Amino acid sequence: EIVLTQSPGTLSLSPGERATLSCRASQSVSSSYLAWYQQKPGQAPRLLIYGASSRASGIPDRFSGSGSGTDFTLTISRLEPEDFAVYYCQQYGSSPPKYTFGQGTNLEIK
Amino acid sequence: QVQLQESGPGLVKPSGTLSLTCAVSGDSISSSNWWSWVRQPPGKGLEWIGEIYHSGSANYNPSLKSRVTMSLDKSKNQFSLRLSSVTAADTAVYYCARIPFYYYAMDVWGQGTTVTVSS
Repeated sequence: EIVLTQSPGTLSLSPGERATLSCRASQSVSSSYLAWYQQKPGQAPRLLIYGASSRASGIPDRFSGSGSGTDFTLTISRLEPEDFAVYYCQQYGSSPPKYTFGQGTNLEIK
Repeated sequence: QVQLQESGPGLVKPSGTLSLTCAVSGDSISSSNWWSWVRQPPGKGLEWIGEIYHSGSANYNPSLKSRVTMSLDKSKNQFSLRLSSVTAADTAVYYCARIPFYYYAMDVWGQGTTVTVSS
């Protein structure tokens, strides 16, 4: 099973700042198989990025994904008030379980 | 606009069976997508439960495989989850989600339904 470790656990920033969230895999992950989600309290997760760097439909271009192998990054270029939430990375693998999630990064207002 | 809607009992007794249904609108469960279930215990992260394709082929999380069954009802355009022998550890918000064949990610989610296991 591929384990995803996200860092930091909590990130405190102000609106307008740049956010950089990390996701490290225990084994190499194909870039095609890495995704990022945003979750706000009481809501379902929302897909932001798939294929490591492709934005999902309707996602603002301030969100970008990058990385390869075992290290992936979600960057939010200029934080808006609505961006403060929990972010999860997720990978797809050929061996079960096919999908695993990181433990999440809580992006909070400083 | 694709929408998914979970339904089912909010309270299940220990050792009982959890049964949930996800109604799909705006898309056909016979299309080229996998249909999945994800759960989230209170205050914790996300756990993938499994997925099913329109052919009936299913994949389950090994940690739950002995207790999980997923099925399709094409006439109602919905899919279902059954989880047997539940314990308090199965208390969670349960989400259904769509996985497009080429995305390897969940692009549309239901709003989630809370299931509590308690006597």
